[in-house]
Amino acid sequence: IAGITQAPTSQILAAGRRMTLRCTQDMRHNAMYWYRQDLGLGLRLIHYSNTAGTTGKGEVPDGYSVSRANTDDFPLTLASAVPSQTSVYFCASSDGSSSTEAFFGQGTRLTVV
Amino acid sequence: GQNIDQPTEMTATEGAIVQINCTYQTSGFNGLFWYQQHAGEAPTFLSYNVLDGLEEKGRFSSFLSRSKGYSYLLLKELQMKDSASYLCAVRDSNYQLIWGAGTKLIIKP
Repeated sequence: IAGITQAPTSQILAAGRRMTLRCTQDMRHNAMYWYRQDLGLGLRLIHYSNTAGTTGKGEVPDGYSVSRANTDDFPLTLASAVPSQTSVYFCASSDGSSSTEAFFGQGTRLTVV
Repeated sequence: GQNIDQPTEMTATEGAIVQINCTYQTSGFNGLFWYQQHAGEAPTFLSYNVLDGLEEKGRFSSFLSRSKGYSYLLLKELQMKDSASYLCAVRDSNYQLIWGAGTKLIIKP
């Protein structure tokens, strides 16, 4: 089934540890995004990639990094986790045109303790 | 700054009609999206408006007025499964999606 897959689905992480959230899509979408969703706040863009080989910073990029080595994969890395990074993380993809919607992965619930 | 406002929570009765409003102030406009998100799940696409007017899709309709920076999502013949959060998002001049905090819709029997 075509779609977008995230791993892990949930994780408890000690502060200071490094963690990579994985995201893979098989829809050949050019654009991919990482969002975090916190209670009472809208989805906030962390990083994005409009096409393989390029990345850009979103609204809340500090403490996070991404890479886009190929079309399908867009991993998000927390270099040294802090409790304020406790959140639900969603990866999304779209074909990049303005009229089409973004498709979301099932989310990763991350707790930093 | 960019801002999208939606009511935090609404309650409606099964079988009734509910209108969820969204107002926005963004740097540029390249379309407005509505998504549905059930608790603990990912957002899923409902509708897209780029021109003024009403878009109808079954029980759901979405309206846009660009001059007023305003949209609404209309849900008819409400069912219990419609209990969810409804997210309004605007694509800005950089083609990035700016999201509202979402409206939690509670359906009562």
